[in-house]
Order: sequence, then structure tokens, then C-alpha cells
Amino acid sequence: GAVVSQHPSWVICKSGTSVKIECRSLDFQATTMFWYRQFPKQSLMLMATSNEGSKATYEQGVEKDKFLINHASLTLSTLTVTSAHPEDSSFYICSARVVGGLNNEQFFGPGTRLTVL
Amino acid sequence: QKEVEQNSGPLSVPEGAIASLNCTYSDRGSQSFFWYRQYSGKSPELIMFIYSNGDKEDGRFTAQLNKASQYVSLLIRDSQPSDSATYLCAVRGFKTIFGAGTRLFVKA
Repeated sequence: GAVVSQHPSWVICKSGTSVKIECRSLDFQATTMFWYRQFPKQSLMLMATSNEGSKATYEQGVEKDKFLINHASLTLSTLTVTSAHPEDSSFYICSARVVGGLNNEQFFGPGTRLTVL
Repeated sequence: QKEVEQNSGPLSVPEGAIASLNCTYSDRGSQSFFWYRQYSGKSPELIMFIYSNGDKEDGRFTAQLNKASQYVSLLIRDSQPSDSATYLCAVRGFKTIFGAGTRLFVKA
């Protein structure tokens, strides 16, 4: 399957700081990437859809000014959690859709565990 | 009603048995259906996808789809302890919606 990487894999930060998470498609081009958040023992919750060269589409209830998404190239999307607070502590996972794949399947990055103190 | 529903489990089966995981969805316009496996602390891994009614087999895994009943299932034959994980059902229509997942335990 296609490979999606994320960096960093984990991060611990102080409340009020900003954290940037990178998502890269390593062996394919991804015009669309997705950002999910997963709290313990809960399912994936879609936060936003990131489209290369255009503004991201945020899901209802997700603050676009707090979770900044930039999809600058066909292989890179970034999520910046601005002024992070302890309630933002979660597992953030990106995924990319393989355009032209057999069924446009989505592949996930390994995730970034964010802990805000 | 949730858009994608799964029994949270846990589902416990003995090693070598068949594990049956079920999923129902509400959007009749859904086109594609996916099963992901997620180990604790890891991100989901795609196991199978299906988009036509009927069965699709891949090794020990069989996905079954019934669009009329809005039902999709995953059968795991000869279950192994390494299959113990949470299995997520994902349904794609306009966008992809994930179920909450079913935890599977395979007892050695």
C-alpha cells in the first residue's frame, strides 16, 4: 500500500504554545489529505479535509483559527494547533487518498500523539 | 441514529475460530466500504475494501456487503491472537465516515 508519514510521532508541549504536525505522502501524490483526531477508546473524528492549493474544509465544531491547515504541495499537508490547551491532547492522524487507485482508498499516517501540559 | 454503527464489543473468540464483525450504515448513497484494523496506540491499517454486493475474499478475510440492508461485515477465518485489535468500519459517500470500532480478542 501507499506510504504516509507523520512528524513528529509524539510531542509534549506547554499550554499556550503552538505545535505543527506534518503529513507526507511518500510514494504518491495526494491532492486530498484528511486530518483526524482520536481520543482514547473513541473512533476517528474527521477534523478537516485538506486540498492542495486551496483552503481546507473544516467539519462542524472544529475551530479553523485554532487548527490551521496548509496543503502547500501534492505531498505535504501541515496541521498547526495554535495556543494548545490540555483538552487538545489527543492522537492526531492524517490520511491521504490515492487518486486513481482501484477504489480511491485512504491510507493513514502513523499518527502524532500530542500531550499538552 | 449514528451514520455508521458497530457493536463496540469486546468480541472474544478462541484461536482458530471464525470472528464475525458487523457494521450498518444509514446513507443509502454510500459507494465504498472499508475495513481497517487498529492496534492500541497505532493508526488504522487498511484490511479490505468492497463496493459491490456480495462477498470479497482476501486470504483469511472475507468482506460481505448487502446494500439493500445497508449492512457490511468482515469475517476472519482461523483467528489468531495477533488479530486482536479494534476493527473500524468506514463508509464512503460524499465523505468517509468511520464507525466507533469493534474490539476483538482472540484467545490462545
